[in-house]
Amino acid sequence: GAGVSQSPSNKVTEKGKDVELRCDPISGHTALYWYRQSLGQGLEFLIYFQGNSAPDKSGLPSDRFSAERTGGSVSTLTIQRTQQEDSAVYLCASSREVNEQFFGPGTRLTVL
Amino acid sequence: DQQVKQNSPSLSVQEGRISILNCDYTNSMFDYFLWYKKYPAEGPTFLISISSIKDKNEDGRFTVFLNKSAKHLSLHIVPSQPGDSAVYFCASLAGNTGKLIFGQGTTLQVKP
Repeated sequence: GAGVSQSPSNKVTEKGKDVELRCDPISGHTALYWYRQSLGQGLEFLIYFQGNSAPDKSGLPSDRFSAERTGGSVSTLTIQRTQQEDSAVYLCASSREVNEQFFGPGTRLTVL
Repeated sequence: DQQVKQNSPSLSVQEGRISILNCDYTNSMFDYFLWYKKYPAEGPTFLISISSIKDKNEDGRFTVFLNKSAKHLSLHIVPSQPGDSAVYFCASLAGNTGKLIFGQGTTLQVKP
């Protein structure tokens, strides 16, 4: 399909380990966003990319979180030294127009 | 300091009746609002949006109303169908980056 894809769909890790979450946006979409949804909560903005640069990283909760985007396409969200409170569904979205974002299915991260 | 609030965590309506989902916001600078629908294990999908220059936007069975003075918007679904059962998120576009501020979501159940 031509939608946003994310991998893995599920990730279980032990506290203290690093994880990498991947997002493949819709082809031609220059903007890419990462959000997360913790249990019982709404979606929380993490970071925004325009092309390969990230003009808005204001939502990253700590310096353990980082993200990069290469070639204006694929993005990777990395969480170092994972903690139990990092458990959430991590959602990626891409857009061509600023007011319409298309979301991927998310990666469910469980930190034991 | 939740800037977008959905105070009803759940709503149950009978098939064929009207569903009304409510959303309040606190930031008077917000000028574009969106509703997303989310099924379990899927990413949110865009439903309908409204700009602050309008007070109503309609798309088929879905209508969004905006009351700027009250900082309140609502989504009306009529007639409601069992396939409408999902979590509905209200969101506001924050700034010109496309970053979305989401409410906590309302789970709608439409009973046959």
